[in-house]
Amino acid sequence: DTAVSQTPKYLVTQMGNDKSIKCEQNLGHDTMYWYKQDSKKFLKIMFSYNNKELIINETVPNRFSPKSPDKAHLNLHINSLELGDSAVYFCASSQTAGANVLTFGAGSRLTVL
Amino acid sequence: AQTVTQSQPEMSVQEAETVTLSCTYDTSESDYYLFWYKQPPSRQMILVIRQEAYKQQNATENRFSVNFQKAAKSFSLKISDSQLGDAAMYFCAYRAENSGYALNFGKGTSLLVTP
Repeated sequence: DTAVSQTPKYLVTQMGNDKSIKCEQNLGHDTMYWYKQDSKKFLKIMFSYNNKELIINETVPNRFSPKSPDKAHLNLHINSLELGDSAVYFCASSQTAGANVLTFGAGSRLTVL
Repeated sequence: AQTVTQSQPEMSVQEAETVTLSCTYDTSESDYYLFWYKQPPSRQMILVIRQEAYKQQNATENRFSVNFQKAAKSFSLKISDSQLGDAAMYFCAYRAENSGYALNFGKGTSLLVTP
């Protein structure tokens, strides 16, 4: 069983569209994260939720909206996609907000044409 | 803000040899944690090793060990007896104990292992 699973793994779409990436963890962790990895492989935190509560909200355009319906799920919705949104988006989870070990999903590669 | 610097964009090592990847960080915190993550071509992020700043002893995990120099704010990763499967991007990461919960990553070092 995959511990942190993201869907879809690959997503190709046109500029201006709206898309979502879903993430689920079956580890019983309290905290989940979204990271963005750009074309130069740089990983940057976007959001973090702890027990469905937003605890990290980095400087990210308003077009990005995370949603956590329960502590096992953290989805990322992106409105009005732009070319610069093309990246690999990683979901991760940790046992608690202060825990040191993050378990990552396999990433979702988003390509905006 | 804490920053993590990996000054080697690419490194190469021959199979069975030893290689050291460099990482420095900038922080005013006294309690923090440092990590090395590996990202093979499969894209999966895999934790290689971690170090608590309050521990003086360097962490070791099988063929992987770190040289943690707290005063110099340096955290290098040594891979001994390199194997072809070690070829990957390696990311150094930092997390402060008390200020925020996210990992801050360096820009990564691409490690090539040659037969």
